[in-house]
Amino acid sequence: ETGVTQTPRHLVMGMTNKKSLKCEQHLGHNAMYWYKQSAKKPLELMFVYNFKEQTENNSVPSRFSPECPNSSHLFLHLHTLQPEDSALYLCASSQDSGRLAGFAFFGPGTRLTVL
Amino acid sequence: ILNVEQSPQSLHVQEGDSTNFTCSFPSSNFYALHWYRWETAKSPEALFVMTLNGDEKKKGRISATLNTKEGYSYLYIKGSQPEDSATYLCASTGSARQLTFGSGTQLTVLP
Repeated sequence: ETGVTQTPRHLVMGMTNKKSLKCEQHLGHNAMYWYKQSAKKPLELMFVYNFKEQTENNSVPSRFSPECPNSSHLFLHLHTLQPEDSALYLCASSQDSGRLAGFAFFGPGTRLTVL
Repeated sequence: ILNVEQSPQSLHVQEGDSTNFTCSFPSSNFYALHWYRWETAKSPEALFVMTLNGDEKKKGRISATLNTKEGYSYLYIKGSQPEDSATYLCASTGSARQLTFGSGTQLTVLP
């Protein structure tokens, strides 16, 4: 148990649907992250939140909309996605996002399929 | 090197064999190097974080070394066991203040 949970674990959606991914961490961390892993590619950072404020947006298309209501919860709202957005979406947390000398703790991921 | 590169991409070894893999990363503006183990259907699990040139870390049969001047890290597994089968990821952080991951080395230990 890593202390970072994600729901749902699997999601199939059409291109016109709107859905949300949820992440919760029980570790008292101040930084939370969304990563994407597409097939045969490295983990790719999408967004960083530090103390509820977004500090990084790694040129992510606007059809992905993050929300961080508090330091323990992170959402990724999805709308009008494309089939190429099908991937594993991982949430992570760390003590803070300063220079990341501390470990990042990952959730199990949401496997997203866009039809 | 602009990206984090790992080699080999995949590796099959027999139970009891020792093995090692390589992570290459940008040596300029380096701050920290992370190793993670990622078993299928589980979360990536942190193994080591190293910051200083010459650092060596050990956890059971797994150890890692760091050379920040030339930009590489080695991960060693002594006496591999089937439960060591996983993808091993390295990631570096530098002036961008974000983890940049390699593609991983997929290790399969055959009984």
